[in-house]
Amino acid sequence: DAMVIQNPRYQVTQFGKPVTLSCSQTLNHNVMYWYQQKSSQAPKLLFHYYDKDFNNEADTPDNFQSRRPNTSFCFLDIRSPGLGDAAMYLCATSREIPRDEQFFGPGTRLTVL
Amino acid sequence: AQKVTQAQTEISVVEKEDVTLDCVYETRDTTYYLFWYKQPPSGELVFLIRRNSFDEQNEISGRYSWNFQKSTSSFNFTITASQVVDSAVYFCALSEAAQGGSEKLVFGKGTKLTVNP
Repeated sequence: DAMVIQNPRYQVTQFGKPVTLSCSQTLNHNVMYWYQQKSSQAPKLLFHYYDKDFNNEADTPDNFQSRRPNTSFCFLDIRSPGLGDAAMYLCATSREIPRDEQFFGPGTRLTVL
Repeated sequence: AQKVTQAQTEISVVEKEDVTLDCVYETRDTTYYLFWYKQPPSGELVFLIRRNSFDEQNEISGRYSWNFQKSTSSFNFTITASQVVDSAVYFCALSEAAQGGSEKLVFGKGTKLTVNP
C-alpha cells in the first residue's frame, strides 16, 4: 500500500515556466518535508510543514514555495525553474518531529529544458 | 562544516561478502539521533535504523548490524553475507537542532554499494 505518493514521477518543464509537484500521504502524519536531491548528492531539506506551520530553510531560494492545503497534501511550486533546479524532489512525512522515522515517497525527477 | 561524513563514495563486493559502511558525525548537541537510510535504484529512501545518543548498544537485525561508538563519533553499518538486492546508496543521517530550534535531518553524501553476483 502506497503511503507517500508523488505525482508525477517525471516532470519536464521549460526554463522559466512555473511547475508544481505534488505529494500526498495516507499516514495522517503531522509533518511533511520537501527535499531536493541532485545527482550523486545527499538529499537537502528545502522546507517542512508541522501541521500548518511552515518552516523554510535559510538557504532555500525564493523561487521555491510550498503549500499544504490539508493534512494529506503538500505541493512544491517552482516559480521560475532554472537549469540548476533540475533534480529529484523527494517528499517525506514523519509522525511528529524530524527525529521520528521519515517515510519517503518515490520522488519526482524534474528536467528543465 | 560537514556534519556527517561518509568517506566511502563507492564500494563494490561480490555476493556473500561482508561489507562495512562507515559513518562519522559531528555535533555539539548532547542529545541527538543517528539514522541509516537505504536508497535503491527506484529512488525511494527506506528507513533502516534510528539510534539515540544515549544508547550505545550495538544492534543486529538479520544480516544488518550497527556499531555506535560515541568515543569515535562513529555509527558504522555492516551487511553480512551481502546479496545483490543490497545494491543501493546508503545514507547516514544526523538529527540536530537547526537555527531557531527547528530540528532537521542532515544527511551524509552516501555510499553507493554494488553487490555483484
